[in-house]
Amino acid sequence: ETGVTQTPRHLVMGMTNKKSLKCEQHLGHNAMYWYKQSAKKPLELMFVYNFKEQTENNSVPSRFSPECPNSSHLFLHLHTLQPEDSALYLCASSQDRRGTEAFFGQGTRLTVV
Amino acid sequence: AQSVTQLDSHVSVSEGTPVLLRCNYSSSYSPSLFWYVQHPNKGLQLLLKYTSAATLVKGINGFEAEFKKSETSFHLTKPSAHMSDAAEYFCVVSDGGQNFVFGPGTRLSVLP
Repeated sequence: ETGVTQTPRHLVMGMTNKKSLKCEQHLGHNAMYWYKQSAKKPLELMFVYNFKEQTENNSVPSRFSPECPNSSHLFLHLHTLQPEDSALYLCASSQDRRGTEAFFGQGTRLTVV
Repeated sequence: AQSVTQLDSHVSVSEGTPVLLRCNYSSSYSPSLFWYVQHPNKGLQLLLKYTSAATLVKGINGFEAEFKKSETSFHLTKPSAHMSDAAEYFCVVSDGGQNFVFGPGTRLSVLP
């Protein structure tokens, strides 16, 4: 248990659906991240939030929409996804201080049909 | 810019034999370096980290890594592999703050 909780653990959605992934941490961290992990590809950073402000958007398609209402919660809103968006989506958090590690959730396994 | 190279995409060892997973990095700053492990369909778990203190870092489950600045390397080792070590391993470099750069990963197989 890392202190970062993601829900749901598994999600199957059609290409016309709208769904949201949730991430929660109570570690007192000020930075939160979304990563995408596809089979046979390196981990891809999607978004970074620091003190609720988005500080990085790695050219992610607009069908992925992040939301960070406070420093403890992070959402990823999904709409009109494509089958190639099927992947493991990982949330992480860290303290914005040199030498501190990122703590990861268990991930949400997303399948787009 | 930072980058991480993991020289082997797949390493296979026999149970009870040593493990060596190689990692080389590039960073303009004095980096922090991490090794994470990921078991199937799980999140990433921190094994160990280097943050400019001792160059030989000990982690969980008997793993250790040595920071060698002259070789820009941070190889992960374990004296004796266990079946439960079979997983994906990621080397990560950070220049501080929020910028974590992941290597492509090395899949470790442990044969009985």
